[in-house]
Amino acid sequence: GESVGLHLPTLSVQEGDNSIINCAYSNSASDYFIWYKQESGKGPQFIIDIRSNMDKRQGQRVTVLLNKTVKHLSLQIAATQPGDSAVYFCAESSSSASKIIFGSGTRLSIRP
Amino acid sequence: EADIYQTPRYLVIGTGKKITLECSQTMGHDKMYWYQQDPGMELHLIHYSYGVNSTEKGDLSSESTVSRIRTEHFPLTLESARPSHTSQYLCASSVRPDNSPLHFGNGTRLTVT
Repeated sequence: GESVGLHLPTLSVQEGDNSIINCAYSNSASDYFIWYKQESGKGPQFIIDIRSNMDKRQGQRVTVLLNKTVKHLSLQIAATQPGDSAVYFCAESSSSASKIIFGSGTRLSIRP
Repeated sequence: EADIYQTPRYLVIGTGKKITLECSQTMGHDKMYWYQQDPGMELHLIHYSYGVNSTEKGDLSSESTVSRIRTEHFPLTLESARPSHTSQYLCASSVRPDNSPLHFGNGTRLTVT
């Protein structure tokens, strides 16, 4: 069945370093991908999205890379800050399915 | 900052009680969703709506029901709460077309004793 999975459940990064969070998806028909950040006690917050006609998209301190050949998605956070501590979810959808499927999340912790 | 509001934030009730979780959005979004999430785990879609008078069941079997009488309001009701319903419930909305990001509320954390 369809699934969106993450390679690592937790990631510890030194403050100031770059963070890379990875995600694998299995539905070849997926054409829209989103990264969300969820802080404790809050709902997921949209970070950045990318459509399947692109392989890279940049935002403020974040970059999403899409490799459709191996069905892999990554989120890169530059100069990681304490405020980046959260659980990060990737999600995917396809125009035909009309539903967004979430992965299981990666907890990002920042070492001072 | 949030344009989507959920009440209550926390709720502790006894088994067998009927409860309604409220969700309202002021963005005029057509699509609304309810997700269930255990702490630190993935989100499971339990209900969604394409617009007024439209409701659909999601991927996760749920004993809850929803209604969509007004665009901005999408309440979720449990007729008889059980301890297995203890979880966090997240409401979200989005614009059409389908490939648009979801905007989430801060959730209702439900505990059934």
